[in-house]
Amino acid sequence: KAGVTQTPRYLIKTRGQQVTLSCSPISGHRSVSWYQQTPGQGLQFLFEYFSETQRNKGNFPGRFSGRQFSNSRSEMNVSTLELGDSALYLCASSLVGQGTGEQYFGPGTRLTVT
Amino acid sequence: GNSVTQMEGPVTLSEEAFLTINCTYTATGYPSLFWYVQYPGEGLQLLLKATKADDKGSNKGFEATYRKETTSFHLEKGSVQVSDSAVYFCALTYPPFQGAQKLVFGQGTRLTINP
Repeated sequence: KAGVTQTPRYLIKTRGQQVTLSCSPISGHRSVSWYQQTPGQGLQFLFEYFSETQRNKGNFPGRFSGRQFSNSRSEMNVSTLELGDSALYLCASSLVGQGTGEQYFGPGTRLTVT
Repeated sequence: GNSVTQMEGPVTLSEEAFLTINCTYTATGYPSLFWYVQYPGEGLQLLLKATKADDKGSNKGFEATYRKETTSFHLEKGSVQVSDSAVYFCALTYPPFQGAQKLVFGQGTRLTINP
C-alpha cells in the first residue's frame, strides 16, 4: 500500500499570506490528523477529521482550519500567516473501529514564513 | 490531562552500546502506547506499540514494555548501530472505540551513535 502523501513538501510564504496544505491518507484509512512540529513546542495536535467531520481540535487560533473530502483526502489552511507559523506540518492517517489507535505519518510539509 | 514525559536529550552512545530512553505517562484509563522515530528530513515512523498492561512491543531490535504500575514505557535496545541515530518520540492515544483519536507526544529524545 502507498503511504501517506503530503504536498507540497516545501513552501515559502510571506507574512499575511495564506497557505493550503494537502494530505492523502493510506487507502482505507478514514481518519486524518494534523500536527505542527516546531523546535520550541515539539509536536502539537491541530485537528482530526473523520467522515468529513472535525472530531477533535487542538489549541490553535481560528486562522488554522481544515477539511476532509469524501475520498478521505484532507487539506489544512492557515490564513494571515505569522512568522511563528514556520514549522513542519505533519499529516497522519489511521483506521477507525479497528486497530489500536496507531497513526501513520506522511513526510510533512516544511512551511517557512518570511 | 494526558501527558508524556521523556528523558532529556541529547543522548550520545558508542556503537554496540546498550540503549535506554525513559518514558512515563499520565493518563486516565488504558491508553495505547507508542514509540515513533524521526530521521533527518523525514516524517515520523511507527517503531513499536503496546495496547495493554505488560504488553511488550518490539521491532528492529528495540523493545518497550507497558508498565501500568509505574506508568512507564521505556525504550531499550541491546546493541545500537550508527543507523539508529534519530529522534525518538514516546506517545499515547486511546483506541478508536474510546473516542476521537489524538496522539499526545513526549518532547523527543535525540540519539546520536558514534562509530
